[in-house]
Amino acid sequence: DAGVIQSPRHEVTEMGQEVTLRCKLISGHNSLFWYRQTMMRGLELLIYFNNNVPIDDSGMPEDRFSAKMPNASFSTLKIQPSEPRDSAVYFCASSTIDGNQPQHFGDGTRLSIL
Amino acid sequence: AQSVSQHNHHVILSEAASLELGCNYSYGGTVNLFWYVQYPGQHLQLLLKYFSGDPLVKGIKGFEAEFIKSKFSFNLRKPSVQWSDTAEYFCAVNARGRALTFGSGTRLQVQP
Repeated sequence: DAGVIQSPRHEVTEMGQEVTLRCKLISGHNSLFWYRQTMMRGLELLIYFNNNVPIDDSGMPEDRFSAKMPNASFSTLKIQPSEPRDSAVYFCASSTIDGNQPQHFGDGTRLSIL
Repeated sequence: AQSVSQHNHHVILSEAASLELGCNYSYGGTVNLFWYVQYPGQHLQLLLKYFSGDPLVKGIKGFEAEFIKSKFSFNLRKPSVQWSDTAEYFCAVNARGRALTFGSGTRLQVQP
């Protein structure tokens, strides 16, 4: 079975540009989590969805960040406009709503905003 | 709110030494407990998990952890580390089906 698939693996862009990160869930999973990892703050939740519905977006830094699940197997995390302080590794993870499965993580997107 | 505390930020061991990494959590209800490992430049991989049952949990690569409910602890152990265990280790908790709360991580360096 394919794991969680994230793209791109690396993104380098200039401040002010729009950035879109993508995530494909493991087949059969219906919970989707976006986490961010930085040296200063460690691993922190941005947002998570159950059955395509956002459940907790309290970790989304500000209005520049938005996340969607256009279908049951795919999610995007968008930053517009991007700022240097958004530089981080962004991980997507998926699981099942019943919580009987641990979360499986994608390889992450390493984002650098210049 | 949940919180996870990892006591050791950086641990340096020689090969064949025994390992114990501390993890304490704060949460008012039933939790699931996890240890994830992150090798340099890679994603998080699940080492082991505790949902219920036997509080001594065995994971991959010879790791184990013990859930002590009275101490709110879930320490990770390995009797004999290898150079290939060099990585960062994260303890995490969640309520079933909810997002994970991670500790700050412990960087393990194993010297040959």
